[in-house]
Amino acid sequence: EAGVAQSPRYKIIEKRQSVAFWCNPISGHATLYWYQQILGQGPKLLIQFQNNGVVDDSQLPKDRFSAERLKGVDSTLKIQPAKLEDSAVYLCASSQEQGWDTEAFFGQGTRLTVV
Amino acid sequence: GQQVMQIPQYQHVQEGEDFTTYCNSSTTLSNIQWYKQRPGGHPVFLIQLVKSGEVKKQKRLTFQFGEAKKNSSLHITATQTTDVGTYFCADNSNYQLIWGAGTKLIIKP
Repeated sequence: EAGVAQSPRYKIIEKRQSVAFWCNPISGHATLYWYQQILGQGPKLLIQFQNNGVVDDSQLPKDRFSAERLKGVDSTLKIQPAKLEDSAVYLCASSQEQGWDTEAFFGQGTRLTVV
Repeated sequence: GQQVMQIPQYQHVQEGEDFTTYCNSSTTLSNIQWYKQRPGGHPVFLIQLVKSGEVKKQKRLTFQFGEAKKNSSLHITATQTTDVGTYFCADNSNYQLIWGAGTKLIIKP
């Protein structure tokens, strides 16, 4: 079974530039998560999709971050404009469905450095 | 909102010593999941605990869920270098995962 695919693996941009990350979840997984993980901290949920609908985006800085999952499969996360404090690893995860017994499968992540 | 707290933040052990991380909440936990993240890697699911007082074992790892479902623990017996990483607990509540900050296991050289 193929895992969660993310690209790119690494990205370096200057502040005020824009950047986009892509995620393809495990086939058949209805729930998709985007997390931000700053070095030395736990994952922070940015947005959670169930199919193509948003379940939770309460911690997404909507003035600069946006995410979409138009066809309920793959997803993109965009930052525009980037700030220095956005430097982090952006993790995408998916699970079969919302429920009490589902585990999340993570991609390798995209390491973003804003200079 | 709900907070999940993990202690300690770091634990240094000699190889062969035991390691324990604790996960606590002021509110009742729904279902606790444990993940391991190797240095430079991504979180990998280890186990889920559902029932009050539940104990599960995976080789040298023992997972416990408190009787009141307000705490959980992960204990590793006789640590090995392959155990190095950060261990996270997460409450699977209302179809969302609420994460602890993790405990980093460091093996002393």
